[in-house]
Amino acid sequence: KAGVTQTPRYLIKTRGQQVTLSCSPISGHRSVSWYQQTPGQGLQFLFEYFSETQRNKGNFPGRFSGRQFSNSRSEMNVSTLELGDSALYLCASSLTRLGNTGELFFGEGSRLTVL
Amino acid sequence: TQLLEQSPQFLSIQEGENLTVYCNSSSVFSSLQWYRQEPGEGPVLLVTVVTGGEVKKLKRLTFQFGDARKDSSLHITAAQPGDTGLYLCAGVANDYKLSFGAGTTVTVRA
Repeated sequence: KAGVTQTPRYLIKTRGQQVTLSCSPISGHRSVSWYQQTPGQGLQFLFEYFSETQRNKGNFPGRFSGRQFSNSRSEMNVSTLELGDSALYLCASSLTRLGNTGELFFGEGSRLTVL
Repeated sequence: TQLLEQSPQFLSIQEGENLTVYCNSSSVFSSLQWYRQEPGEGPVLLVTVVTGGEVKKLKRLTFQFGDARKDSSLHITAAQPGDTGLYLCAGVANDYKLSFGAGTTVTVRA
């Protein structure tokens, strides 16, 4: 079956701009979670969506937001980009909500560079 | 501050040697997972441990979950170059947020 698809794979933005990243989960998976990966901080949890509702949120400012559509596809948006937002953004899909020991399937990520 | 502390941060060994990666926390987790991530790819799940004291084996990889469910270890026997990658432990605490360790970069030299 098709894996988790993230688009775009690479993008370059300048400070102050905004960006939208897309994640298509594995068919049938209802949970999509997002993560920021940087060399200094490692993998940090951003938020989880399940059945179109945000179920949990990590410790990120309000500039980071997301949504999930009825077909479980998810988008995340970062507004007023800062240099420190440069990172690999990963999404993962799962059959069940986080915490139910279900396997997470990760996409290859979207690498964002902010200049 | 990382909820899960991984050590060592880097590990470089010769093919055929053994290695152990540790994942420690002061928090109790209902389960811990280990992932391996290769450059340009997302993490891939290796194992989930749920019960305190549990030991799981996956070919040359052995995973242990501490009795108190606060720590875990990953042991690789007779490492091969294909084992090279970033190893991450992850756990879900009571707040349903998935926390990752900072990762251990393992390099196995042929």
